[in-house]
Amino acid sequence: DAGVIQSPRHEVTEMGQEVTLRCKPISGHNSLFWYRQTMMRGLELLIYFNNNVPIDDSGMPEDRFSAKMPNASFSTLKIQPSEPRDSAVYFCASSLPRFLAHDNEQFFGPGTRLTVL
Amino acid sequence: GENVEQHPSTLSVQEGDSAVIKCTYSDSASNYFPWYKQELGKGPQLIIDIRSNVGEKKDQRIAVTLNKTAKHFSLHITETQPEDSAVYFCAASPWDYKLSFGAGTTVTVRA
Repeated sequence: DAGVIQSPRHEVTEMGQEVTLRCKPISGHNSLFWYRQTMMRGLELLIYFNNNVPIDDSGMPEDRFSAKMPNASFSTLKIQPSEPRDSAVYFCASSLPRFLAHDNEQFFGPGTRLTVL
Repeated sequence: GENVEQHPSTLSVQEGDSAVIKCTYSDSASNYFPWYKQELGKGPQLIIDIRSNVGEKKDQRIAVTLNKTAKHFSLHITETQPEDSAVYFCAASPWDYKLSFGAGTTVTVRA
């Protein structure tokens, strides 16, 4: 099992540019989460998908952020236009369907370190 | 929403000693409490979890205790080893998807 796969692992861009982060969840997992990690705010949930449908996007900072999950094996998080304060590590996580799991364990990917200059 | 506070923010222990990290939560509806370990350059990884119908759970050198009345839970690591050095996060969830994380504890095990 390859685990959750994220790409790119590092991204450096200039303010105003569009950034797209990618995630492949673990096969068979039907829940997908995007988190942002910063020193100041810790780990924050940005958006949660269940069966490819966005269930809770209340953590998305503003309209510059958008996320999609076109199928069960792929999701993107897009920032347009990017700003220096978006610099952070972005994690994708996935979890099993509730009826297959006795708990809420989320499996995290390795993260994408985003730097906006 | 749920608010999780975690202490201490940093912890340095001598190899072989014990380490204890404490968390408090605010939402009495929370009933699932996982602990994640994050090594440098990696994503958080679940190391142990506890549900509200259990007061204590142990897995080899790590254990977690839960006091629902006081709304606090703790992680105990015994016989610490250098590979235990990492950032540890507690979290709380009302048995749905939403995990609220503590701010993290950086544990350093001195050889």
